[in-house]
Amino acid sequence: DAGITQSPRYKITETGRQVTLMCHQTWSHSYMFWYRQDLGHGLRLIYYSAAADITDKGEVPDGYVVSRSKTENFPLTLESATRSQTSVYFCASSEYVGVMNEQFFGPGTRLTVL
Amino acid sequence: AQSVSQHNHHVILSEAASLELGCNYSYGGTVNLFWYVQYPGQHLQLLLKYFSGDPLVKGIKGFEAEFIKSKFSFNLRKPSVQWSDTAEYFCAVIPMDSSYKLIFGSGTRLLVRP
Repeated sequence: DAGITQSPRYKITETGRQVTLMCHQTWSHSYMFWYRQDLGHGLRLIYYSAAADITDKGEVPDGYVVSRSKTENFPLTLESATRSQTSVYFCASSEYVGVMNEQFFGPGTRLTVL
Repeated sequence: AQSVSQHNHHVILSEAASLELGCNYSYGGTVNLFWYVQYPGQHLQLLLKYFSGDPLVKGIKGFEAEFIKSKFSFNLRKPSVQWSDTAEYFCAVIPMDSSYKLIFGSGTRLLVRP
C-alpha cells in the first residue's frame, strides 16, 4: 500500500544546477499535480497532468518542466535552479476530476537552492 | 481572481479549549470544499470535505466544518483541542468551473499548549 511517494525527501543544490524531483503513485490515478508550499502562500499549483503525455501549466510554472511518459510517474525538473525555488514541493494525484474530486498528497520534498 | 482567505495565520490555545478557524472564498458558483491538516514534518492529510447535502460536515479526529453559502464560508471547528492537534491547517476550494484546480488558503498554524 505505497500510495504516492516522492524522492528525494530532502535536496540541497546550487544556483544554476538542474534538479529533478520524482513522484510515483501506485493507484493508477489519471490526474497528477505538482504544488509548491511557501510560507504565507499556502500551496500553489505548478503543473498538472490529466493522463500520460498530457500536461498543462498551473499558477506558477515558470522555471519548471514536467513530463509524464507513464501514468504512475510525474517528474518535476528545475532546469536551472534559482534561490526563489527554495520550497517544499508536494506531488498529488486524483482518480478523476469533477464533482467529488479528492486529491491525495505525497510526503513532500524539501528543496534548498544555495 | 478566485481566492481562499484564512484570516488567522497563527493560533495558540490551551488543551481543552474550543477551536474555530475561519475560511472564506471568493467564488460565487458551486464549489467543493476541503480542510487539510499538515502535522509537523508530514504531508497533507484530508480532515474533511463538503460536496453537497448537509452543510455541517464531520471529519476525522472530532473536527467538523460548516458550509454557509450566503457567507462564502467554511469554518473549521473542534470543541476541545488536544496537544496532538498542533499542526498547520489549510482550507481549499475547487470551483466547479475549474474542477481540477484546488485553490488553497495560506494556512493557519495551530499550537496547542499542554
